[in-house]
Amino acid sequence: DAGVIQSPRHEVTEMGQEVTLRCKPISGHNSLFWYRQTMMRGLELLIYFNNNVPIDDSGMPEDRFSAKMPNASFSTLKIQPSEPRDSAVYFCASTLTGGETQYFGPGTRLLVL
Amino acid sequence: GENVEQHPSTLSVQEGDSAVIKCTYSDSASNYFPWYKQELGKRPQLIIDIRSNVGEKKDQRIAVTLNKTAKHFSLHITETQPEDSAVYFCAVMPGGGADGLTFGKGTHLIIQP
Repeated sequence: DAGVIQSPRHEVTEMGQEVTLRCKPISGHNSLFWYRQTMMRGLELLIYFNNNVPIDDSGMPEDRFSAKMPNASFSTLKIQPSEPRDSAVYFCASTLTGGETQYFGPGTRLLVL
Repeated sequence: GENVEQHPSTLSVQEGDSAVIKCTYSDSASNYFPWYKQELGKRPQLIIDIRSNVGEKKDQRIAVTLNKTAKHFSLHITETQPEDSAVYFCAVMPGGGADGLTFGKGTHLIIQP
């Protein structure tokens, strides 16, 4: 089992550029979560999907952030335009619907200059 | 929404001693309480969890206790070892299953040799 896969692992970009983060959940898992981790705010839920449908996006900081899940094995989190305050580690996690244990991916470390 | 408070933010103990980390939450409907361990530069990994119909759960040197009336739960690590050094996060899931987790701010546990 490969676990949750995220790409890229590291991303350095300049302010104003578009950033796309990618996630592949564990096969068979049908709930997917995006979290952001910073020193100041800790681990925060951004959005989650059940069966590819966004359920709660109240944690998405602003309109610059968008997330999609076109199929059961792929999700993207896009930031456009990016700003320095978006610098953080972005984690994707997955679980079985109705399940509770969330398995985290390795994260994407984003630095916006 | 749910509010999770975690204490202490830093805990230093002698190797072999016990460590206790405490969390409180606000939503009485919350029903799932996991603890995650995160080593530097790594992903959060589940170490133990407890559900609202259970008061205590043990797994070797690790235990979690839950007091639903007082809305607090604690992580207990006995016979601490150097590899226990990490940041520990408590989390809370609202009722209904497959919801996103609300995390505490984390406790940096330092095991002194």
